Amino acid sequence: DGGITQSPKYLFRKEGQNVTLSCEQNLNHDAMYWYRQDPGQGLRLIYYSQIVNDFQKGDIAEGYSVSREKKESFPLTVTSAQKNPTAFYLCASSIPGVGTEAFFGQGTRLTVV
Amino acid sequence: AQKITQTQPGMFVQEKEAVTLDCTYDTSDPSYGLFWYKQPSSGEMIFLIYQGSYDQQNATEGRYSLNFQKARKSANLVISASQLGDSAMYFCAMRVFADNYGQNFVFGPGTRLSVLP
Repeated sequence: DGGITQSPKYLFRKEGQNVTLSCEQNLNHDAMYWYRQDPGQGLRLIYYSQIVNDFQKGDIAEGYSVSREKKESFPLTVTSAQKNPTAFYLCASSIPGVGTEAFFGQGTRLTVV
Repeated sequence: AQKITQTQPGMFVQEKEAVTLDCTYDTSDPSYGLFWYKQPSSGEMIFLIYQGSYDQQNATEGRYSLNFQKARKSANLVISASQLGDSAMYFCAMRVFADNYGQNFVFGPGTRLSVLP
């Protein structure tokens, strides 16, 4: 079955550590996105990529980094520079065109301990 | 700047009744898409319905319909015959061109719908 896989589902991080969230899709989509969701809030864009080896900062990119070495993969690294990383992280993908929806993964819940 | 506004943080509806969730949007781009997503407590995002800026008719998908009023820049979601399983967060989203770099999705803050038995 085609879809987007995020791992892990739950992640605990000590302060000062970098952690990487995985996002893999087998939908052959060109565009991939990372969103952050805080409790009771909407989705805020962290980074997005339209093609391999290219990506753009979203609204809240500070303290995060990404790579897009393969079409299928768009990992997100939460660095120690991110002041408040505890949140729910959602990865999405889509094909070009304003009329096509985004497909989402199941999300990763990151908690700093 | 593109923006989505959802003014109802929470809504209650009686089972089997209809409910309307409000969404207004702001964009200067003539070509855009409007989407509604449902997010249950599990966290997954479920696509419900889509409306294109050039579509003449309101979109419908089963119990979901989108009341699209282009001049007022509103795209309200109507859920008919509410079910207990409809209790969730609902997000309105818009897809537009983003600074000559493909298209991007902008999400509203969401509305939490609670269906009462």
